[in-house]
Amino acid sequence: DGGITQSPKYLFRKEGQNVTLSCEQNLNHDAMYWYRQDPGQGLRLIYYSQIVNDFQKGDIAEGYSVSREKKESFPLTVTSAQKNPTAFYLCASSITSGSDTQYFGPGTRLTVL
Amino acid sequence: DAKTTQPTSMDCAEGRAANLPCNHSTISGNEYVYWYRQIHSQGPQYIIHGLKNNETNEMASLIITEDRKSSTLILPHATLRDTAVYYCIVRVSAGNNRKLIWGLGTSLAVNP
Repeated sequence: DGGITQSPKYLFRKEGQNVTLSCEQNLNHDAMYWYRQDPGQGLRLIYYSQIVNDFQKGDIAEGYSVSREKKESFPLTVTSAQKNPTAFYLCASSITSGSDTQYFGPGTRLTVL
Repeated sequence: DAKTTQPTSMDCAEGRAANLPCNHSTISGNEYVYWYRQIHSQGPQYIIHGLKNNETNEMASLIITEDRKSSTLILPHATLRDTAVYYCIVRVSAGNNRKLIWGLGTSLAVNP
């Protein structure tokens, strides 16, 4: 089956610890995205990548970092600098960065204690 | 800021058509209207998109007004599994940076 996987589904961390969220796709898509969703809110763009070894900041990049060393992988690190990291994190991909049809993973719910 | 306006919530009886409205009065001539939905605690799912003409696929129909300032997503025979938040989205472009602006969407409850 082609699709996007995110792991783990639930993640708990202590305050002050960095944590890395996994996102893998086997759709052969060039573009990948990370969004954050808070309760009752829409999605906000953290980072996006149009192609391997390239990425750009979205609207709320502070306290986050990404890498895109492989086409199929786009991990997100939530650093200790992120002041309010508890949220639902969604990864998406699209065929190219010019396509607005994005395919989403199941999400990772991060809780920082 | 979101460029679309949607009702906060709607109800629909199972088996009936669900008509979800969206206003996008500032849409540009080359901007598409996209619809996604998000079932609770899952990732959003693409439904349909359109530019000027009405569109239909296996999930839904999209009706866009002639002036393109509003559109309606139609689920012809709603089921309980269609209960979700429905997002109407237009793209924002700024130079080489383009992104989708996600508003709060419409929470659709399909009732038995």
